[in-house]
Amino acid sequence: AQRVTQPEKLLSVFKGAPVELKCNYSYSGSPELFWYVQYSRQRLQLLLRHISRESIKGFTADLNKGETSFHLKKPFAQEEDSAMYYCALSGPLTYKYIFGTGTRLKVLA
Amino acid sequence: NAGVTQTPKFQVLKTGQSMTLQCAQDMNHNSMYWYRQDPGMGLRLIYYSASEGTTDKGEVPNGYNVSRLNKREFSLRLESAAPSQTSVYFCASSEGGLQGANVLTFGAGSRLTVL
Repeated sequence: AQRVTQPEKLLSVFKGAPVELKCNYSYSGSPELFWYVQYSRQRLQLLLRHISRESIKGFTADLNKGETSFHLKKPFAQEEDSAMYYCALSGPLTYKYIFGTGTRLKVLA
Repeated sequence: NAGVTQTPKFQVLKTGQSMTLQCAQDMNHNSMYWYRQDPGMGLRLIYYSASEGTTDKGEVPNGYNVSRLNKREFSLRLESAAPSQTSVYFCASSEGGLQGANVLTFGAGSRLTVL
C-alpha cells in the first residue's frame, strides 16, 4: 500500500542550526516524491521534487531507495523557514497522490 | 491568473444538512483532487479525477460524492453532514497526462464546521 510517514509533528531549531525533516515511504515500484510547504496564511505550494534534483530556498532532499526515505535538509535554518512541511508521493502513470501527516518547523531566534 | 478557486471559504452546517464545495481551475489541467486537512492527520485524499469524465476514491471517500462537471470544475458534495466532517477542505489540480500526477496547484481552502 502507498504510505508516507513523517515521524515528527513538531520540530524546533534555532536560527542558523541545521534542519532535517524526515520522510519515509512505502510503495511497490518507483514513486515520485515531493515536498510541499504551507507558510502561515498562504496556500500549500511545491517546495521541491526528487526528479528535479535542485535546491530551493537552500533546501535539498535526496531519494534513498534502499531506506525508502526522502528527508528534507537545510544546513542553516532561517526564521522565514517556519512553516508546515508535507512529504508526498505519487506513482508514475498513476494519479493517486498521498501526503504524510506533516511536520511543523519552528525556527527560533 | 486565478489558478485554483474554491467556494465557499467558510461554511457552518447543522448535522444532516447537505452542501456542495465548488472548485474551478483555469490552467487547463487534466487532473483534479479533493483533500481534507485535520490536525495530526495531515492531508487525506477524498476523491480524485485523473481526467475529465473519470473519478476515483481516495483514502477517505465515505460520506462524500464528487462530480467532474467539465475539465475546469470538480465539486465535492456532502449529502448528510456529520460533525466528523468538520475540517479544512482543499481542492488541487495538476497537468496529469501520460506521465502521471505531476505537481499539484492548491486552492486557498474551505473551512467547514458541522454542528
